[in-house]
Amino acid sequence: DARVTQTPRDKVTEMGQEVTMRCQPILGHNTVFWYRQTMMQGLELLAYFRNRAPLDDSGMPKDRFSAEMPDATLATLKIQPSEPRDSAVYFCASGLGQGAGDTQYFGPGTRLTVL
Amino acid sequence: AQSVTQPDIHITVSEGASLELRCNYSYGATPYLFWYVQSPGQGLQLLLKYFSGDTLVQGIKGFEAEFKRSQSSFNLRKPSVHWSDAAEYFCAVGARSNTGKLIFGQGTTLQVKP
Repeated sequence: DARVTQTPRDKVTEMGQEVTMRCQPILGHNTVFWYRQTMMQGLELLAYFRNRAPLDDSGMPKDRFSAEMPDATLATLKIQPSEPRDSAVYFCASGLGQGAGDTQYFGPGTRLTVL
Repeated sequence: AQSVTQPDIHITVSEGASLELRCNYSYGATPYLFWYVQSPGQGLQLLLKYFSGDTLVQGIKGFEAEFKRSQSSFNLRKPSVHWSDAAEYFCAVGARSNTGKLIFGQGTTLQVKP
């Protein structure tokens, strides 16, 4: 049963610290999406990649957030420095890259708490 | 602009009762439409999706949805709700940019009473 995996599942850190979240997409999937979910804002798209290239990261605060795909099996989302307002659940999703009808498969999320 | 509206933020139904969750979309052409479910502490899972053809789509866990172009709606239904259906439900439309990007609604939280 192929699944998207995310690590860590939970992260508690102090303001100003660097946070790195990792995602392993389903093998063979060539699109990766990063989302942030909060009670106030709901589900927000931060960035997405196709074939490891960033297609759009306009949803991401550029001054502190960065997203990369070092290789096809790993996507990372970094926050430096972290702030309390970054506290949220961060989801990664992957897809086959079939266009508008593509199904996104979500990971279990990383719950981030910034104190 | 493309958008998805889920008018009901929270719905409570009794176990065994029927369920309908509403979804309205704004899109300039025939849309790709999705329903996802998020159980507490979990990621989103696809329930069903509509591309074309038969406007009544069957999904997993006994759910179905009907595409109505005239009403710009894609409502999710289940004839008899189980306690395990308590979750948050998201309607989404595939972005016209053809990148695989989804535009999600704000979600509807379903509570099931015993």
